[in-house]
Amino acid sequence: SYVLTQPPSVSVAPGKTARITCGGDNIGSKSVHWYQQKPGQAPVLVIYYDSDRPSGIPERFSGSNSGNTATLTISRVEAGDEADYYCQVWYTSSDPLYVFGTGTKVTVL
Amino acid sequence: QVQLQESGPGLVKPSETLSLTCSVSGGSISSYYWSWIRQPPGKGLEWIGYIYDNGRTTYNPSLKSRVTISVDTSKNQFSLRLSSVTAADTAVYYCARTRGIGAETDYWGQGTLVTVSS
Repeated sequence: SYVLTQPPSVSVAPGKTARITCGGDNIGSKSVHWYQQKPGQAPVLVIYYDSDRPSGIPERFSGSNSGNTATLTISRVEAGDEADYYCQVWYTSSDPLYVFGTGTKVTVL
Repeated sequence: QVQLQESGPGLVKPSETLSLTCSVSGGSISSYYWSWIRQPPGKGLEWIGYIYDNGRTTYNPSLKSRVTISVDTSKNQFSLRLSSVTAADTAVYYCARTRGIGAETDYWGQGTLVTVSS
């Protein structure tokens, strides 16, 4: 199976930049989607196909993907960005499936 | 604006079958993939599977032997059945819209907690 590894937590001061990594074997060859989940709420799509941003998502959210690491970057972090973030890929094998990362809790100091 | 709403029992006994339905409003169920995703309390997300409007399904291999997803296009609904449940199946279950094979999931239901307990 395919494993996506994220750091359990990232802490960042308001106004600074948060970088959340998603590690997987040759993940750069796959398309990565990112979701934000606040407590008690459903996930919200924030980045799709590595770096595209859905309408309504601030430009402060950006993504990149290369080699064995995909990265979600949140610039000029605000208190409202505090949430869990999950990466996701479509793993194609004899039995294809979506795989989610382990999740990262972003804390705004 | 597409909206999804899960419905079904919040409590299921061990060894029985969990059944949930997702009602889709604000858009047609046609031409998209419709997913079920779950999240055990305090844990991460797990993709269960999805169905296309023509009934074609793809399931998570780890759950494949116990899962059935079906669609009723006339009612704009799709459903999940998970058999032989155990306490490990206790989770918040989300229904969601996925835009294509390997594509992003852009609309989610609010989620419904299903507890497996006698």
